[in-house]
Amino acid sequence: GIQVEQSPPDLILQEGANSTLRCNFSDSVNNLQWFHQNPWGQLINLFYIPSGTKQNGRLSATTVATERYSLLYISSSQTTDSGVYFCAVILFSGSARQLTFGSGTQLTVLP
Amino acid sequence: DSGVTQTPKHLITATGQRVTLRCSPRSGDLSVYWYQQSLDQGLQFLIQYYNGEERAKGNILERFSAQQFPDLHSELNLSSLELGDSALYFCASSDRQRGDYEQFFGPGTRLTVL
Repeated sequence: GIQVEQSPPDLILQEGANSTLRCNFSDSVNNLQWFHQNPWGQLINLFYIPSGTKQNGRLSATTVATERYSLLYISSSQTTDSGVYFCAVILFSGSARQLTFGSGTQLTVLP
Repeated sequence: DSGVTQTPKHLITATGQRVTLRCSPRSGDLSVYWYQQSLDQGLQFLIQYYNGEERAKGNILERFSAQQFPDLHSELNLSSLELGDSALYFCASSDRQRGDYEQFFGPGTRLTVL
């Protein structure tokens, strides 16, 4: 099956700093999503981005499908950005549409 | 709020028992997915339903089963529970008619098997 690798596994930042999280995947994909899992365990949709670039406030994401990677940028980080960031992809196979998740990047933003 | 609801939020039970987790998808979404998040396995896909029919299976144990009802809500049944089944179970839904498969997740059910 498809492999999804995220880096770095852990990241500690000072409030106000910028960061880039990376997601590599082993095959061409049909969909790609970024999620933030907050300390209460909730998975929050950040971006649906199979290709191209999107921005939402301090966050932006870029997926280069031909080179099989996606980047999530966090600017001017805040303590509320802490949590785990997951990249997940879908490779259509018949009627299957399940997400395959990476192992996540644990982000800690210090005040 | 994603619009996906799950009950209960927490469940504590003993080994050998059986539990049922419930999920209601976002209004209008026909597809429902179940995922398990454990410390050692990460987030793993279990099973997918579309409008009442099973569409895909992942690493779902034979002790686990699921169904999607005519009102589109879904239930995940876990039986003969073992300590290793302790995990956070998520339900997600998506709407094929929008032309994409962006999935939205419920708050999860945290299962603890003692």
